[in-house]
Amino acid sequence: QSALTQPASVSGSPGQSITISCTGTSSDVGSYNLVSWYQQHPGKAPKLMIYEGSKRPSGVSNRFSGSKSGNTASLTISGLQAEDEADYYCCSYAGSSTLVFGTGTKVTVL
Amino acid sequence: QVHLVQSGAEVKKPGASVGVSCKASGYTLTGYYMHWVRQAPGQGLEWMGWIDPNSGGTNYAQKFQGRVTMTRDTSISTAYMELSRLTSDDTAVYYCARDSPIAAAVDSWGQGTLVTVSS
Repeated sequence: QSALTQPASVSGSPGQSITISCTGTSSDVGSYNLVSWYQQHPGKAPKLMIYEGSKRPSGVSNRFSGSKSGNTASLTISGLQAEDEADYYCCSYAGSSTLVFGTGTKVTVL
Repeated sequence: QVHLVQSGAEVKKPGASVGVSCKASGYTLTGYYMHWVRQAPGQGLEWMGWIDPNSGGTNYAQKFQGRVTMTRDTSISTAYMELSRLTSDDTAVYYCARDSPIAAAVDSWGQGTLVTVSS
């Protein structure tokens, strides 16, 4: 199972919106609406930000939103804030009760 | 409040095995699958597999089959991951992570355990 493809880095100025893509295949992202997104600050464990493609767990800011089109899922962060600077990983159900993570994207707030 | 507390850092020689424990509190271990995920230095997250603490059933990523064993001790609410035939490529932070009851996601993570493989 190959890792999902994400851009290595994305940057934006405070207040702007950025979008991170997550490209898989018809065997994972394209077949299931089961993409999740995780935020990871340096030296910390990941934190769930989005599940089932577009749903936010309780406590996650509504500045974070998710979507999917075909084999590509996307995470959009609107109203970018300094605290959003972190690594972001997508993850998809890949069939047979398995998961596959994305390659990760470093978000920089300029 | 869900807490997953992992065992401490390990240093192992190539060819050895390593075991990492993950003690759960704030919920019933048997109610949720437990995933194991690793992260090599400066690299991304890699899913290793899960264990159903209720039945003991497991599902391992193909890459780790034959080398990883996930077990649990429900009497002490603890999950375990053992990885054998270690190489330097296994140097990583290993996380346990509770399966979300909502969907194919993980909603709580341990603090991570650094495993260093070095001769």
